[in-house]
Amino acid sequence: NAGVMQNPRHLVRRRGQEARLRCSPMKGHSHVYWYRQLPEEGLKFMVYLQKENIIDESGMPKERFSAEFPKEGPSILRIQQVVRGDSAAYFCASSPRTTFSLQETQYFGPGTRLLVL
Amino acid sequence: SQELEQSPQSLIVQEGKNLTINCTSSKTLYGLYWYKQKYGEGLIFLMMLQKGGEEKSHEKITAKLDEKKQQSSLHITASQPSHAGIYLCGAVRYQGGSEKLVFGKGMKLTVNP
Repeated sequence: NAGVMQNPRHLVRRRGQEARLRCSPMKGHSHVYWYRQLPEEGLKFMVYLQKENIIDESGMPKERFSAEFPKEGPSILRIQQVVRGDSAAYFCASSPRTTFSLQETQYFGPGTRLLVL
Repeated sequence: SQELEQSPQSLIVQEGKNLTINCTSSKTLYGLYWYKQKYGEGLIFLMMLQKGGEEKSHEKITAKLDEKKQQSSLHITASQPSHAGIYLCGAVRYQGGSEKLVFGKGMKLTVNP
């Protein structure tokens, strides 16, 4: 059973370009979370999605950032018109259900390291 | 201010030594996760604690959630170079109508052979 997969692992963009980060959850997992890890900071929640639905995007910047999790295919985190401050590691996690009281664990992918020149 | 404070921020130990990492929350913990991260890689799930006083062990790593449920400790016995990495604690938070994890900044562990 493959784990959470993310691609690309490394992405270099120039200011103003678009970055598209992909996340394939573990088999059987329908809940996807995106986190961002800035240098010298901890992981920060960005968005939580289920298939075809955004459940909570309270951690997403209001502009330039969007996320989707279509019925078929991976979840996509899209950053338009990237700026240097977007340089970070972006992690995706998946779980089969959302209810932590059932001790469902979030399993993380290897991350995509975005560098904006 | 940080919701989860981890201490120490970094630690260098000699192989074979025991060590303890702490994670202190400003709010009651309803679920506390410990992950390990190696540079350039993702987070590896170690353990999850829910109940006050709960203690779990995996190989040489033991984690405990205190009775008042606002602090957790991770103890490594007879550390090895393979234990090196960044240890992150994550707490379950109910915000914005959903559950999510908030993390501490991590504790960087170096184990010298």
